[in-house]
Amino acid sequence: GDSVTQMEGPVTLSEEAFLTINCTYTATGYPSLFWYVQYPGEGLQLLLKATKADDKGSNKGFEATYRKETTSFHLEKGSVQVSDSAVYFCALSEGAGYKLSFGAGTTVTVRA
Amino acid sequence: DADVTQTPRNRITKTGKRIMLECSQTKGHDRMYWYRQDPGLGLRLIYYSFDVKDINKGEISDGYSVSRQAQAKFSLSLESAIPNQTALYFCATSDQDHPYARTSETDTQYFGPGTRLTVL
Repeated sequence: GDSVTQMEGPVTLSEEAFLTINCTYTATGYPSLFWYVQYPGEGLQLLLKATKADDKGSNKGFEATYRKETTSFHLEKGSVQVSDSAVYFCALSEGAGYKLSFGAGTTVTVRA
Repeated sequence: DADVTQTPRNRITKTGKRIMLECSQTKGHDRMYWYRQDPGLGLRLIYYSFDVKDINKGEISDGYSVSRQAQAKFSLSLESAIPNQTALYFCATSDQDHPYARTSETDTQYFGPGTRLTVL
């Protein structure tokens, strides 16, 4: 079945550092790929998405490119801020049901 | 006002008790979902509903039941709570497919703030 594997955390960074969170997936077809973010005490929010190979999703300085050849969708940000401290989830959806399959989540802490 | 709301936000209960978690949405979406979140496991789908008359089991439905009272309301029940049902529960919604729409947002889900349930 469909599955998502993302790098384990926690990740601790200093402000203005470069952030990358690896995500790889297994799917039988052509899924849509997502990054969701969960800030402390809140529900998940869509951060960005890509629906086909070579698409780049971007939002709030974050980027991720849909790489079909490596089945990856790594999340990057060039200069993180304290406000980026959150749990980040990689996810995919495939098929008519639009059910999401989530990775385990990566906790990111940015220190001033 | 939030588009997807959940009540209660926190609940502590005892083993064997019946619990209902409620979800309401003002987004006008047909599709609704219940997930649970456990540390290190991400979110797992419990049940989903594509409209009022269409309810489906997810990957971990045992021990849970749901009711879709209206397009805007989707409730999750634990008939007899047990400690390993202690988790964070999220409701989510998504739009139905519109074949002639210029863009599709049907694969995007919108989440409520979550209910933290503790079963002692």
